[in-house]
This record gives sequence, structure tokens and C-alpha cells, in this order.
Amino acid sequence: QQQVKQSPQSLIVQKGGIPIINCAYENTAFDYFPWYQQFPGKGPALLIAIRPDVSEKKEGRFTISFNKSAKQFSLHIMDSQPGDSATYFCAATDNTDKLIFGTGTRLQVFP
Amino acid sequence: GAGVSQSPSNKVTEKGKDVELRCDPISGHTALYWYRQSLGQGLEFLIYFQGNSAPDKSGLPSDRFSAERTGGSVSTLTIQRTQQEDSAVYLCASSQGPSGEQYFGPGTRLTVT
Repeated sequence: QQQVKQSPQSLIVQKGGIPIINCAYENTAFDYFPWYQQFPGKGPALLIAIRPDVSEKKEGRFTISFNKSAKQFSLHIMDSQPGDSATYFCAATDNTDKLIFGTGTRLQVFP
Repeated sequence: GAGVSQSPSNKVTEKGKDVELRCDPISGHTALYWYRQSLGQGLEFLIYFQGNSAPDKSGLPSDRFSAERTGGSVSTLTIQRTQQEDSAVYLCASSQGPSGEQYFGPGTRLTVT
């Protein structure tokens, strides 16, 4: 019930490609869905977040698509760059504010 | 302004010793969280402090783990009688309040030998 399932585990794209990372959840009490980007040796950095009252949110090259009925959400990175190479984590929380994280996706963007 | 800071950045300790990890949240943030990141378990919640409320300790894996937050600011995570399975990166995050965006520190890498 508390899990957030994330796929794929790893992803390789060429510069300019559009990597898509998917997450699914079961707990219908979740009401906040952030994405974090983590570089080696650093803490996770908040990238973009969405609440279930909207189906899409864009910030720069990053877009979250949210499907409430399917209990799924995804991250799209437009015009990906080598500097986007990192591990991406989706997460979810309810009114307890405890983030439940997905297992992470290691993205590699080649020039 | 300054982000969340944690110290030490690395800690190597012998099995059975106690360790203390420190977190300085972003100034003005009332909520503080500890998470653990390990290869086998991913990122998992440990404990949450919000203002003067009793902390949510539901994620602490055993009674060897404890945390306190003094003066509503700095927090210390203590692990007593460390075990090898405690080896992980311990991450602290803070937010402006309940349901706020959580900002993470760089973590403390703990290695128990």
C-alpha cells in the first residue's frame, strides 16, 4: 500500500532525446508527488512537484504528467543534455509528510 | 541563502560504537526530516520533527536509533552500538512547514567496519 514503483531502473538516451520515467502508486491518500534529481555524492535536489488536482505541470525542460485514475505519474525531460545525467527519484506523500520514494532511475545522456 | 548542512560528511566507525550525526536546517524551516539511503533499501524515512509537536518516529529501524531537535533548529541523529547494516548515507531535509517542499542536505556517509 505504501510503495511507489518506479521504472525503468536505467535509461540511456542521446542528447536531444526525451527520456520518460514512470511511477505508480497504490495509496489513494497520497496528495503530493515530487521528483528529485541526485548527482553522485550529493543529496537529492527537488526538481518539480505536482498535486493531483492537475494533470500536467511544466517547469523549463521538465514536465510531470499525472493520471489520477490510473494512479500513475511520469517525468519527461525535453531536449535532454549530458548535464541531465543523474539518478531521478519519484516520491509521494500524504498528510503525514513522510516521503515514500521510488527505487530510482539512473539516466545517462550521451553527446 | 544557505541550504541544509550536515556534518560530518563522512564517518567511519567500528561496530559497537555510538555515532552522532548533525543536521542544520534552512533558517526558518519548522519541519525537519531524517532519511536513510542504502543500496539494499533505497531512500527510506526515519523520523520527522514539526515545530513543538512530538516527533514521528515511525521509520526508525530499531531502538538503537534516536534523534533530537534542540531549540527547533539543529537536529542530531544518534545510533548506538552500530552494526554493519547501519552503513548508509543519512540524509536530512527541511521544509517551511507541514506539507512544504522538502530540501535535502548533502548527507553523511556512515561506514561501520
